[in-house]
Amino acid sequence: AQSVTQLGSHVSVSEGALVLLRCNYSSSVPPYLFWYVQYPNQGLQLLLKYTTGATLVKGINGFEAEFKKSETSFHLTKPSAHMSDAAEYFCAVSVARGSTLGRLYFGRGTQLTVWP
Amino acid sequence: DSGVTQTPKHLITATGQRVTLRCSPRSGDLSVYWYQQSLDQGLQFLIHYYNGEERAKGNILERFSAQQFPDLHSELNLSSLELGDSALYFCASSVRDRLTDTQYFGPGTRLTVL
Repeated sequence: AQSVTQLGSHVSVSEGALVLLRCNYSSSVPPYLFWYVQYPNQGLQLLLKYTTGATLVKGINGFEAEFKKSETSFHLTKPSAHMSDAAEYFCAVSVARGSTLGRLYFGRGTQLTVWP
Repeated sequence: DSGVTQTPKHLITATGQRVTLRCSPRSGDLSVYWYQQSLDQGLQFLIHYYNGEERAKGNILERFSAQQFPDLHSELNLSSLELGDSALYFCASSVRDRLTDTQYFGPGTRLTVL
């Protein structure tokens, strides 16, 4: 079965500091990986996704993530945090396997707080 | 704004009742997905429809059902509601049903069962 683990349900950083949100997945087949952001009282918005090709993926709002197959990880980073980055972030995976086709498996989310 | 609309935004009802949640996908999108977000379970996939046909089922209770209509909007029906059904229900849509297609999420319907 597929699963996604996000280490740290809460992460706090100062404005201007590096943001690092961790995501590890388990999958017996090559996964497609996604990061979504959820602002209060809103739906999820795609930040970036990895499908094939370059393992370093750039997304919106200055975020990027690197797919590391050997570590089964897809950590999200941003060099310099802004106050507007405060939100909940979800890592998700989809795999090509029978009845699970097309569904996203989500991690439990990481709440990012940015201090001034 | 993702282009996916969901109605109503909020729904408060009593145990044992039945409700219908509605989703309109982005223009041109053929796939609709339903997810449930709760504190206990996190974000869970419920069901996927593509061009009117059911494609995949997840952790959807037998008391729940869904359909996608010819105009591609979708409805999620929840019956015999229990307190534990209180959650945020999201609809997402994508262009087709490929794994790499981005799923665009609506703002959600918050269901409260009293």
